[in-house]
Amino acid sequence: GENVEQHPSTLSVQEGDSAVIKCTYSDSASNYFPWYKQELGKRPQLIIDIRSNVGEKKDQRIAVTLNKTAKHFSLHITETQPEDSAVYFCAASGGSNYKLTFGKGTLLTVNP
Amino acid sequence: GAVVSQHPSRVICKSGTSVKIECRSLDFQATTMFWYRQFPKQSLMLMATSNEGSKATYEQGVEKDKFLINHASLTLSTLTVTSAHPEDSSFYICSAQTNHGTSGTSSSYNEQFFGPGTRLTVL
Repeated sequence: GENVEQHPSTLSVQEGDSAVIKCTYSDSASNYFPWYKQELGKRPQLIIDIRSNVGEKKDQRIAVTLNKTAKHFSLHITETQPEDSAVYFCAASGGSNYKLTFGKGTLLTVNP
Repeated sequence: GAVVSQHPSRVICKSGTSVKIECRSLDFQATTMFWYRQFPKQSLMLMATSNEGSKATYEQGVEKDKFLINHASLTLSTLTVTSAHPEDSSFYICSAQTNHGTSGTSSSYNEQFFGPGTRLTVL
């Protein structure tokens, strides 16, 4: 089955700096890669996603890149703000398996 | 947008009792729903896939007789934790799936919308 690795597990940045979280996946048939933001005690919120026919996608301060050959994808957050502090999860799905496989999460702390 | 509700949001029960959690898709029909469990400071772990009108598919290591799933309609799936024990205390989250593209092709993918979660505490 699919295996998703996520790094780093914790990330601390100063307000205004950029944050990058990286994930790798194992199943070459995966074609959908969402990123979720989860605040304590709340549901995961989809913040951006990318499909395997696209190499990069951007939405304001958030961008995701995908390297299908290397089987890795990354989340980039620019001009970070304290309200960006949360746990971020990457996930992968696709092919014959529609289940989402999640990475272990990254606790992002943005210091004012 | 797609909205998924979950009830109850929080439940405290005694060891040995059963607890039922409901997951509803409010503005769309979902033939497939998923149930996840999340322990503190850990990722979401898929427990089972709930399919409308058929038996649920359980992940390895999840006891189907302990975690009963019923997907009776296109908008409702229920998870019953039977004979709950303190180690079952966790955050249970459901999601409902919508399909995009043409099924079976490389263009197809599925988007999941999550419920708000249920915090279960077993005393």
